[in-house]
Amino acid sequence: DVKVTQSSRYLVKRTGEKVFLECVQDMDHENMFWYRQDPGLGLRLIYFSYDVKMKEKGDIPEGYSVSREKKERFSLILESASTNQTSMYLCAITGTGNTGELFFGEGSRLTVL
Amino acid sequence: SQQGEEDPQALSIQEGENATMNCSYKTSINNLQWYRQNSGRGLVHLILIRSNEREKHSGRLRVTLDTSKKSSSLLITASRAADTASYFCARSDSNYQLIWGAGTKLIIKP
Repeated sequence: DVKVTQSSRYLVKRTGEKVFLECVQDMDHENMFWYRQDPGLGLRLIYFSYDVKMKEKGDIPEGYSVSREKKERFSLILESASTNQTSMYLCAITGTGNTGELFFGEGSRLTVL
Repeated sequence: SQQGEEDPQALSIQEGENATMNCSYKTSINNLQWYRQNSGRGLVHLILIRSNEREKHSGRLRVTLDTSKKSSSLLITASRAADTASYFCARSDSNYQLIWGAGTKLIIKP
C-alpha cells in the first residue's frame, strides 16, 4: 500500500511564526504535491515537485515556499504565518502510470492565531 | 484553474437508499476521478474514468461520463452509514493536472 505521512496532524501557531509542514512517502514516486483545502473552495494547488530540488508553483503559491532535498520528502514552508493561512493542508503523490491519480496523506490542520 | 461544478452541495438520505452526485466541467479532459474524504482526514481515490469510457463500476459505486454534456455522475447504491463523507470530482486536463470541484457532503441517516 502507498503510504504518505504528514508529520503533524494539528498545529497551532502565532502570526509571524515560521511553520514547517513535512510530508514523507515510501513509494519512490517522483511527483509530490501540496494542496490547501478550505470549505466551499475544494482543493487548491500550492506547489508541486517532479523531482529532487525541483519545484513548480501551483495556483496559490503566495506566502508559501517548498523544499525537496530528498526524493521521499517534500516540505511546505510558511515563512511568516498569517491568519488567512489557517487551513487544512494536504500532501499527495501520484500513483504509477500517468493518469494523475493521487494518494493523499491524512492532512495537517493549521490554525494561525 | 477552472473548478468543476458539483451538485448537490449537500445530500442527506436514509440508509439503504441510493445516492447520486453530479459533476460538470467546461473544458476537455483526459480522465475524471472521484475521491472520498471522511471528516478531518485525507482524500481517498475511488474510481477513475477515462474520456473514452462511458461507465465504470467498483463494488457499490457506479460512475458515468457524458463527454458531450461535459458531466459525470457518481452513484452509490444501497447506502450505508459508513458512506457518510464528502465526495469530490477532479478532472485531469491535457497536462494531467487535476482540477477539483468543491465537493458534495453526503450524510446517510441510520
